[in-house]
Parts: sequence; C-alpha cells; structure tokens
Amino acid sequence: GENVEQHPSTLSVQEGDSAVIKCTYSDSASNYFPWYKQELGKGPQLIIDIRSNVGEKKDQRIAVTLNKTAKHFSLHITETQPEDSAVYFCAANGVEDGGYNKLIFGAGTRLAVHP
Amino acid sequence: NAGVTQTPKFQVLKTGQSMTLQCAQDMNHNSMYWYRQDPGMGLRLIYYSASEGTTDKGEVPNGYNVSRLNKREFSLRLESAAPSQTSVYFCASSEWEGSYEQYFGPGTRLTVT
Repeated sequence: GENVEQHPSTLSVQEGDSAVIKCTYSDSASNYFPWYKQELGKGPQLIIDIRSNVGEKKDQRIAVTLNKTAKHFSLHITETQPEDSAVYFCAANGVEDGGYNKLIFGAGTRLAVHP
Repeated sequence: NAGVTQTPKFQVLKTGQSMTLQCAQDMNHNSMYWYRQDPGMGLRLIYYSASEGTTDKGEVPNGYNVSRLNKREFSLRLESAAPSQTSVYFCASSEWEGSYEQYFGPGTRLTVT
C-alpha cells in the first residue's frame, strides 16, 4: 500500500543553524504534501503545504521542496530558534479503493534546537 | 472560534471497560477524522466521516466504533478496552473530504491497564 518514509527520526541543531527533514512517498498519484508541527502536549498543526504543480514554497523561515520524479519532498527551516523544537510530520495524499481521499503520515522527526 | 475540541484530555481505563471520546468542531467543516498516535508510527486513521450521516473505516478500525452525531460532533467509542488501545487519540476536521487540509484537536491520552 501507500507509504511515507521520514528521516531522520531525531535531529539536534544549534540555534541559528538550518534543519532539513526529508520524506519519500510511494504513490505516484499523490499531489498534496503537507507538513505538521506538534508541540509537546498539543495536536499537530499545519505549518506549510505544497501541491505537485510547484517545486518549492516558502513562508518566512520555512520552505518545502518537492521532487516528483524522485518522489521525495523536504522541509527546510533556516535560522532555527528554540521555539522550533517540536515533532514534525510529513504527509502525502492518497486515494483508498473506495474513493476516499486520505492523508498518509510519516513517523515523525523530533527536532531539538539548542541555545 | 475554538477550532477542534476534545474531551477528556486524559483517561485511565481497566481492561474490559468502555468509554466514549468526544470531539467537536466549530469551523463548519463537513469531514471529520479519528487518529491514534503511537511512538514511532506517526498518525494512523481509525475512522472517518466524509459528511454528516456517513462513517467509514480507516486503517485501524478494530475495537472501535464511531458516531457522527451532527455536523459538529464526532465521537469514538471503545466498547471493551484492551491494553493495545493505550495511545494518544486525535480528532481532526477538514472542509470536505478532498480538501486534505486537516485541523487537529489537542488529543486524548488514554491508558488501558
């Protein structure tokens, strides 16, 4: 079935450095790729998403790139700050046999930003 | 505008007990979802409701039932809790099934002993 793999599972950076999280997906029909940030004790929050008709999208310090040929997409955080510390999830859309549109999530990356 | 709310925040059950997790959204969304989150496994879909009056199984539905009470509310019931159901449960909603942008509640941490 459809699968989304996410790497690394943990990432530790110094404040001010960049962080990159990578995901690969298996369904070539996927065309929507969101990223969620989950802070401790809270639910996942959508922070950025990209659709297959663009290769890159930026929002201040975060950016997402998509390579449809290789079936992978990445989250880039520049000038990291301690408040960026959280678990980040990638996802890709898919279609169930019954026609339901679903999101398939990666296993998550725990990012720690050290002052 | 509270978004997606869930009750309770924490719950401890003994094996065999039953309980219902409540979820409500005030964004006038048509679609609602229940996920469970386990360490190292991301979010797995239990059940979803594409629109009021419909519910369907997701990836891991065994041991659960759901009710879409109205457009705002979607509850998840454990009839006979098992230790394997120890997890964090998240409710989410989206404008409609194909809009994909899902908004999550704060979660319920359930422990079954």
